[in-house]
Amino acid sequence: DAGVIQSPRHEVTEMGQEVTLRCKPISGHNSLFWYRQTMMRGLELLIYFNNNVPIDDSGMPEDRFSAKMPNASFSTLKIQPSEPRDSAVYFCASSRRSAGETQYFGPGTRLLVL
Amino acid sequence: DQQVKQNSPSLSVQEGRISILNCDYTNSMFDYFLWYKKYPAEGPTFLISISSIKDKNEDGRFTVFLNKSAKHLSLHIVPSQPGDSAVYFCAASEGGGATNKLIFGTGTLLAVQP
Repeated sequence: DAGVIQSPRHEVTEMGQEVTLRCKPISGHNSLFWYRQTMMRGLELLIYFNNNVPIDDSGMPEDRFSAKMPNASFSTLKIQPSEPRDSAVYFCASSRRSAGETQYFGPGTRLLVL
Repeated sequence: DQQVKQNSPSLSVQEGRISILNCDYTNSMFDYFLWYKKYPAEGPTFLISISSIKDKNEDGRFTVFLNKSAKHLSLHIVPSQPGDSAVYFCAASEGGGATNKLIFGTGTLLAVQP
């Protein structure tokens, strides 16, 4: 099994540019989660989907952030416009939506906004 | 407002000794707790979990203890090995299942010295 796939692994961009992060969950998993890791706040849940439907986006920092899951095998997290304070590692995770199933994380995308 | 707190950013332990990582939480509705381990440039991986109906769960060298009255859990690693050197995240959820929304702490960097 390939595990959760994220792309790109590294992204360097300039303030004001649009950034799109991509995630392919593990086949058969029907829950998908986007997290952001920073030194100050650790791992923060931004948004999660069940069966492609957004369930909780209360962690999305502001309107500049948006996430979509058009089908069971693909999700995007978009930042437009990007700001230096968005610099962080962004993780995608997936799981089966049943009791006791753990979340499996991708390798992350390291984003640097100059 | 951090609902899950790991107050020790780092911990250094000699190989063969016990490592004790601590975690405190504030939300009394949390009923499922997990520990994840993270190596550099990789996503977090699930390590061990515990339900609030238990006060201890053991898996090989890893044991998690839960003290509900104190809203405190700890992870014990015995004996510690250099390969255990990583960042350890504590996480909590409501609803009894790991696929529910997870709230993570800020992590503790464990260094096991040979």
